[in-house]
Amino acid sequence: AQSVSQHNHHVILSEAASLELGCNYSYGGTVNLFWYVQYPGQHLQLLLKYFSGDPLVKGIKGFEAEFIKSKFSFNLRKPSVQWSDTAEYFCAVREAAGNKLTFGGGTRVLVKP
Amino acid sequence: DTAVSQTPKYLVTQMGNDKSIKCEQNLGHDTMYWYKQDSKKFLKIMFSYNNKELIINETVPNRFSPKSPDKAHLNLHINSLELGDSAVYFCASSQDIHYEQFFGPGTRLTVL
Repeated sequence: AQSVSQHNHHVILSEAASLELGCNYSYGGTVNLFWYVQYPGQHLQLLLKYFSGDPLVKGIKGFEAEFIKSKFSFNLRKPSVQWSDTAEYFCAVREAAGNKLTFGGGTRVLVKP
Repeated sequence: DTAVSQTPKYLVTQMGNDKSIKCEQNLGHDTMYWYKQDSKKFLKIMFSYNNKELIINETVPNRFSPKSPDKAHLNLHINSLELGDSAVYFCASSQDIHYEQFFGPGTRLTVL
């Protein structure tokens, strides 16, 4: 069965610091990759997605992610975080020919003002 | 203008009761999903319907029964509620199974 790992469970950083969240998956075939964000008390929102093409994907709110196939990774980055980026971030993977989205365990990010 | 809506937002009930959570999407999507998010924020798929047909049925107790009266609705009925059912339940929808999913606001279920 496919699995998704997010190695950082909690990240605390100051405003203007750079953020990188790791995501690795176990499936060896073609995948679709997603990052979702869940702000406190809110539902999940899509930050960005990768289906094919340029492995460097730009999303909303200044986030980007890079798909590195050889490392089975899809790390999320933001050069300069804001207090409003405090949230839980979820990586999700789906086999391209499949129908099930598998989520990582989430990373809780706290940005101190 | 809410794309995916769920009712109720909060549900507090006693063990052994039967309850339902409703989900509606106005995006014209063909596929809908139910997820369970536990206290550690781990999110796991429970069910998925595509054009009113069940396509994903994970290892969920059969006390949980999804019902899709039409493409825009996917309700979740839970019989004989247990303490371990306490969680946040999210509904989601997508254009079809290959597209990104849009999530509802969640229903926080507390079983006492």
